[in-house]
Amino acid sequence: GENVEQHPSTLSVQEGDSAVIKCTYSDSASNYFPWYKQELGKRPQLIIDIRSNVGEKKDQRIAVTLNKTAKHFSLHITETQPEDSAVYFCAASNLRGNKLVFGAGTILRVKS
Amino acid sequence: DVKVTQSSRYLVKRTGEKVFLECVQDMDHENMFWYRQDPGLGLRLIYFSYDVKMKEKGDIPEGYSVSREKKERFSLILESASTNQTSMYLCASRLQGMETQYFGPGTRLLVL
Repeated sequence: GENVEQHPSTLSVQEGDSAVIKCTYSDSASNYFPWYKQELGKRPQLIIDIRSNVGEKKDQRIAVTLNKTAKHFSLHITETQPEDSAVYFCAASNLRGNKLVFGAGTILRVKS
Repeated sequence: DVKVTQSSRYLVKRTGEKVFLECVQDMDHENMFWYRQDPGLGLRLIYFSYDVKMKEKGDIPEGYSVSREKKERFSLILESASTNQTSMYLCASRLQGMETQYFGPGTRLLVL
């Protein structure tokens, strides 16, 4: 089955700097890759997603890139702010889209 | 706005007890999911349901069962709670054919 690895497990950046979180997946049939943000004590919420027919997607300060050949995708956050501090999860799902397999999560701390 | 609610935010049970976790969504979503979240392991799928009275095992179904008698409600049952089931339990729902899953606030279960 699908396996998703996520790095780093923790990331500290200075406010205003960029943050990059990377994920690799094992199943070449996976075609949907969402990123969820979970603030402390709150539910995970989708922040951006990408499908396998697209190499990059951007939404204001966040962007996701996908390399299908290498089977990895990354989340980029520019001009980080304290409110970006949270746990970020990547995930991948197969063609049927029935099951999301999540990475272990990255704790992002933005220091002001 | 999608609303997914869970019956309890915090729950303390004793080993051997039967535990019911309830999840309700108000958006007429066909698909519902139960995950457990543990530090360093991300979110792992326990069970999911495509529609009423339908269920499928996820990646870690052992020690759990589910019930979906009504479309809006998906119950997770721990038949005989054990200490290794101490965890955060997250419910999610999704409209059939769409990819985005919407999460509930989670139930933090402690089994003593």
